[in-house]
Amino acid sequence: DTEVTQTPKHLVMGMTNKKSLKCEQHMGHRAMYWYKQKAKKPPELMFVYSYEKLSINESVPSRFSPECPNSSLLNLHLHALQPEDSALYLCASSPNVRDTEAFFGQGTRLTVV
Amino acid sequence: SQKIEQNSEALNIQEGKTATLTCNYTNYSPAYLQWYRQDPGRGPVFLLLIRENEKEKRKERLKVTFDTTLKQSLFHITASQPADSATYLCALDITQGGKLIFGQGTELSVKP
Repeated sequence: DTEVTQTPKHLVMGMTNKKSLKCEQHMGHRAMYWYKQKAKKPPELMFVYSYEKLSINESVPSRFSPECPNSSLLNLHLHALQPEDSALYLCASSPNVRDTEAFFGQGTRLTVV
Repeated sequence: SQKIEQNSEALNIQEGKTATLTCNYTNYSPAYLQWYRQDPGRGPVFLLLIRENEKEKRKERLKVTFDTTLKQSLFHITASQPADSATYLCALDITQGGKLIFGQGTELSVKP
């Protein structure tokens, strides 16, 4: 299994809602990532987890809250988002944080209304 | 400031020709550089990784070079096909600790 699975594929939420994005991999990878991608722009790193511990937070607003319950799962909890947070949210994993390629999921298309 | 730049936003070529994409970076000393392909609405797909001590790497019709003196990588697709049309992204781990940062991408269009 060489897949990174993200759910849901699409999400529409209001600015007062709380929702969560989920990401799962069964490749035994110990590094997992969240990226945000706006149209016609490259993926922008948000968070990196290494061995289930948060190792990089790219100064992301607190309305985005990551969680890594175990080595296979990564969540992104969303609360009080703004319309400008609408984007494609990508999860990725890699065997470790050094010297390896990243495997990306298909993303969650988030629309904040 | 630190930058990763890909030479053009869009590249149009004829089927069968070689596509050459450029990635330049400043103020980094990466141990390796990666290239990804991204189709619209989908996540990036890893293509090749080249390390600082490797001058060139090949995979089927793909070739990557890495010049740490020029701070540049070239990505070649030989005998290009319309199915190669996509956005190609170069990426660097700027901390060697998982901070994988992408260039802005080059949208390649291969015409029959």
